[in-house]
Amino acid sequence: QVQLQESGPGPVRPSQTLSLTCTVSGASISSGDSYWSWIRQPPGKDLEWIGYISYSGNTYYTASLRSRVTISRDTSNNQFSLRLSSVSAADTAVYYCARGIPVFGVVIIAAFDIWGHGTTVIVSP
Amino acid sequence: DIQMTQSPSSLSASVGDRVTITCQASQDISNYLNWYQQKPGKAPKFLIYGASKLQTGVPSRFSGSGSGTHFTFTISSLQPEDFATYYCQQYDIFPLTFGGGTKVEI
Repeated sequence: QVQLQESGPGPVRPSQTLSLTCTVSGASISSGDSYWSWIRQPPGKDLEWIGYISYSGNTYYTASLRSRVTISRDTSNNQFSLRLSSVSAADTAVYYCARGIPVFGVVIIAAFDIWGHGTTVIVSP
Repeated sequence: DIQMTQSPSSLSASVGDRVTITCQASQDISNYLNWYQQKPGKAPKFLIYGASKLQTGVPSRFSGSGSGTHFTFTISSLQPEDFATYYCQQYDIFPLTFGGGTKVEI
């Protein structure tokens, strides 16, 4: 059974860098057809896909965050991480890690079949 | 980015009711649409892909339909455990985007 668990240091001050780690159990992050993603949900707003690191190490970032985001991985510990620099109050959100998968007829990430429970990050002075 | 608009944003229903949620895409996405269920304090659960195909293990009271820009999600006979928020998500064009959610209250 695949499980994902987010972890992070808690509150972040404006202009600092937010860092979160997702620990994966029950599957290897290097296995085929998996796109290890970060998704966030600011209070009262829609879910927003931040990006992924693929099973082969390729990355994709959504354009609105591309200049501030890095997603990396540690295959020896089966973890992947999110770094978001120069944060502001607008980055306050519940952050989820999730496994992205292709679905029938699509050869790249299309859906998120396994999610972590989410971690709340508050950006506050 | 493709905008996904869900309606209603919330609804109240009784056990046994038929519940329908709509999701509208800002442009044609063919049938590249998923549905998720999220219960309070829990991770979202992947229910439907390709607008109408149930994930393994998802009860048959859940169904989806539509193509192009207009989609519907239906619970044929609402059960107490279906109290949750439901989200649509398109995968036609990057970035993958979600609807704003529909909260179903029993």
